[in-house]
Amino acid sequence: DTGVSQDPRHKITKRGQNVTFRCDPISEHNRLYWYRQTLGQGPEFLTYFQNEAQLEKSRLLSDRFSAERPKGSFSTLEIQRTEQGDSAMYLCASSLKGPDTQYFGPGTRLTVL
Amino acid sequence: QKEVEQNSGPLSVPEGAIASLNCTYSDRGSQSFFWYRQYSGKSPELIMSIYSNGDKEDGRFTAQLNKASQYVSLLIRDSQPSDSATYLCAVGRGSSNTGKLIFGQGTTLQVKP
Repeated sequence: DTGVSQDPRHKITKRGQNVTFRCDPISEHNRLYWYRQTLGQGPEFLTYFQNEAQLEKSRLLSDRFSAERPKGSFSTLEIQRTEQGDSAMYLCASSLKGPDTQYFGPGTRLTVL
Repeated sequence: QKEVEQNSGPLSVPEGAIASLNCTYSDRGSQSFFWYRQYSGKSPELIMSIYSNGDKEDGRFTAQLNKASQYVSLLIRDSQPSDSATYLCAVGRGSSNTGKLIFGQGTTLQVKP
């Protein structure tokens, strides 16, 4: 499978715990995006990487959120001290160049109890 | 005013009919436009991209773009029950070269047999 992959697919955690999600983009894609989607809404942009450089962050990305793409390949999104409001689907997408088509991974559904 | 607006629906059409989905956007500098389909609990799947004014056809799908009116639409001909899903309109910001997408909230389409 050469599409975007995400791990884990589901994560249930207790409030206050830290969680980390991983995204593996399509291999030749140098642009990687994280979005968050809550029920009944469209995805909202969180952050963007071109290769290993994080070039844009949404103001939705509070200081509890951090994202990395250390070698310009896979990316991780960490949420510290999770809150119930963090419950959402976290989507990763990749593209070859902008404004090119973005292809989405299956998402990680986070539930914070 | 939201940057990308869609009627949340549901839009209900009989099998075999034409479904018409509409989207308006506020940023006149927007350059790229996408329609994604999202089944419940799944991630967005690209249907069409369109970059210039006019119509673009792909099988049963036709995307229409009118930049002067800041309007994008998606027509689905010969609608099938399997087309029942949420359709997301996404716009690439003209003022940003990151390629990030701004999504509408989606329109739920129900195709009745």
